[in-house]
Amino acid sequence: DAGITQSPRHKVTETGTPVTLRCHQTENHRYMYWYRQDPGHGLRLIHYSYGVKDTDKGEVSDGYSVSRSKTEDFLLTLESATSSQTSVYFCAIRLAGTGEQYFGPGTRLTVT
Amino acid sequence: QQQVKQSPQSLIVQKGGISIINCAYENTAFDYFPWYQQFPGKGPALLIAIRPDVSEKKEGRFTISFNKSAKQFSLHIMDSQPGDSATYFCAASESGGGADGLTFGKGTHLIIQP
Repeated sequence: DAGITQSPRHKVTETGTPVTLRCHQTENHRYMYWYRQDPGHGLRLIHYSYGVKDTDKGEVSDGYSVSRSKTEDFLLTLESATSSQTSVYFCAIRLAGTGEQYFGPGTRLTVT
Repeated sequence: QQQVKQSPQSLIVQKGGISIINCAYENTAFDYFPWYQQFPGKGPALLIAIRPDVSEKKEGRFTISFNKSAKQFSLHIMDSQPGDSATYFCAASESGGGADGLTFGKGTHLIIQP
């Protein structure tokens, strides 16, 4: 599992509330990613990070922000959750010098 | 614009048969092509990957075939087993030193019937 944990694993929240998901890794990987998975869409990249305080947008970044103040933690924030953000969110790391990405166990988020 | 197209959406194969899943891509800058296997409630797990300098890569019962001119690649699962029943995703990325993430196909739900 490449030493990746995600928290919480499940969350139900109401429309309009802020939500922060956490990805934690223990192996000092430089590159970290957030994806969302929805039926019929596969996985889509939300944001990624290439170092502490270095982040960039992915394909579906609207409504999301990220922060990385420490190598081991990559946070995904939904400033004001909407029902369209109901999804399963996966964090991933990439091994340096390769294209290999390894995924965490996921967070199932339901916005009511 | 869907940059990686995967087919079929679902596939049923008899135990011992060959499962074949196909993907096509559009971005000629892609140079890394992995396949992921995902079981319900779990994260995607890297299964096998290929780069365009080879046309085939085999790991156990899993083989990737790659056709650069056609911009297509496929996953073959030989001697398919019920434990192979899962959702499979193809993906692609540019790995030339940047941090770009993976672009995924929409997935294939594979069922191996005993």
